Amino acid sequence: DQQVKQNSPSLSVQEGRISILNCDYTNSMFDYFLWYKKYPAEGPTFLISISSIKDKNEDGRFTVFLNKSAKHLSLHIVPSQPGDSAVYFCAAIAGNNNDMRFGAGTRLTVKP
Amino acid sequence: KAGVTQTPRYLIKTRGQQVTLSCSPISGHRSVSWYQQTPGQGLQFLFEYFSETQRNKGNFPGRFSGRQFSNSRSEMNVSTLELGDSALYLCASTTDTDTQYFGPGTRLTVL
Repeated sequence: DQQVKQNSPSLSVQEGRISILNCDYTNSMFDYFLWYKKYPAEGPTFLISISSIKDKNEDGRFTVFLNKSAKHLSLHIVPSQPGDSAVYFCAAIAGNNNDMRFGAGTRLTVKP
Repeated sequence: KAGVTQTPRYLIKTRGQQVTLSCSPISGHRSVSWYQQTPGQGLQFLFEYFSETQRNKGNFPGRFSGRQFSNSRSEMNVSTLELGDSALYLCASTTDTDTQYFGPGTRLTVL
């Protein structure tokens, strides 16, 4: 079953605007969340993470928000740049058994 | 539709042994990628297979190898295991539009 869901397969934004990528999860045992970025023909690269004891983590243009009650997290990219165009995966880890689950990804296209 | 399955889910080996992990992609997906996840290194790309051919390869030693069969199922093999090979090995099957679906992973412990 899909414990981590990214319901939007694609997203298109204009350069300079905000990109918001969403992710929902069902397993309340997940306590660590990560976002990965993947370019075509390459493996995913780590972007940013957040622990369940926090509700926000910021790194430059990237901010991840966690809403535990809603079992929802989002990645904000401000301002968006054409080089951000890639597929973004969210992942969740349950600390009790280190079980890691990924969403299906959202393809972000940033138009110049 | 069944998801990506990986077997076995957990495995314990000793140094010097070899191991074979299996991945069955979602029906209809022709591409299978393998990743190694460790706490210190994060997620690292091993290789990708498409229609029985290795299409991309990450920066891992030759002890790590893989193959894909005509039914798209894939295996990865690690020979002469080292302690540092202990990790979660993830397999992902990919649609033609580059959407990846990950399996639950195989947790390998090398003693």
